[in-house]
Amino acid sequence: AQSVTQLDSHVSVSEGTPVLLRCNYSSSYSPSLFWYVQHPNKGLQLLLKYTSAATLVKGINGFEAEFKKSETSFHLTKPSAHMSDAAEYFCVVSGETGTALIFGKGTTLSVSS
Amino acid sequence: NAGVMQNPRHLVRRRGQEARLRCSPMKGHSHVYWYRQLPEEGLKFMVYLQKENIIDESGMPKERFSAEFPKEGPSILRIQQVVRGDSAAYFCASSLRSAELSLAYEQYFGPGTRLTVT
Repeated sequence: AQSVTQLDSHVSVSEGTPVLLRCNYSSSYSPSLFWYVQHPNKGLQLLLKYTSAATLVKGINGFEAEFKKSETSFHLTKPSAHMSDAAEYFCVVSGETGTALIFGKGTTLSVSS
Repeated sequence: NAGVMQNPRHLVRRRGQEARLRCSPMKGHSHVYWYRQLPEEGLKFMVYLQKENIIDESGMPKERFSAEFPKEGPSILRIQQVVRGDSAAYFCASSLRSAELSLAYEQYFGPGTRLTVT
């Protein structure tokens, strides 16, 4: 069965410093992987997706993620945090049938000035 | 191009009442998914529908919950005889094509309906 584990429930950074949100996945086949962001009381926005093409995926707002099959990881990074990046981030893997998305429990990113 | 629309955004129901949540997919999308987000948790898949068909309802509770996506009009998630444990945010997503055709499908999410059961 597919599953995803977000290793940190909260991450705090200062504005202008790098961001690292960690995600490990488990899948019986080559999955599709996604990162979504949710701002308070808002819907979810797709940041980026991996679909077995390039292992380094670039997304919106300067975020990127690297798929590492040997480590079963899909960590999200950004070189320099901005105050507007403060939000909840979800690492997501496609389900076995492909119809459902399997969500991690989320990582809350706080950015201080 | 309007995104996925959900209404109402907030819904308050007393225990035992019915809740009806509506979702209009993005223009041109014929695949709809419903997810539930409980406090402090990620989203959990409930059901996947195409027009007039339920394709996958493996995440739906066996009782009181039902979903439809008629030929005309929005998709409806219906919760009968609500209980306090149904309080959650319910998100709808839509996609352009069937997930079974490609693993590269993207789901676009609506803003959610926050259900509070008192």
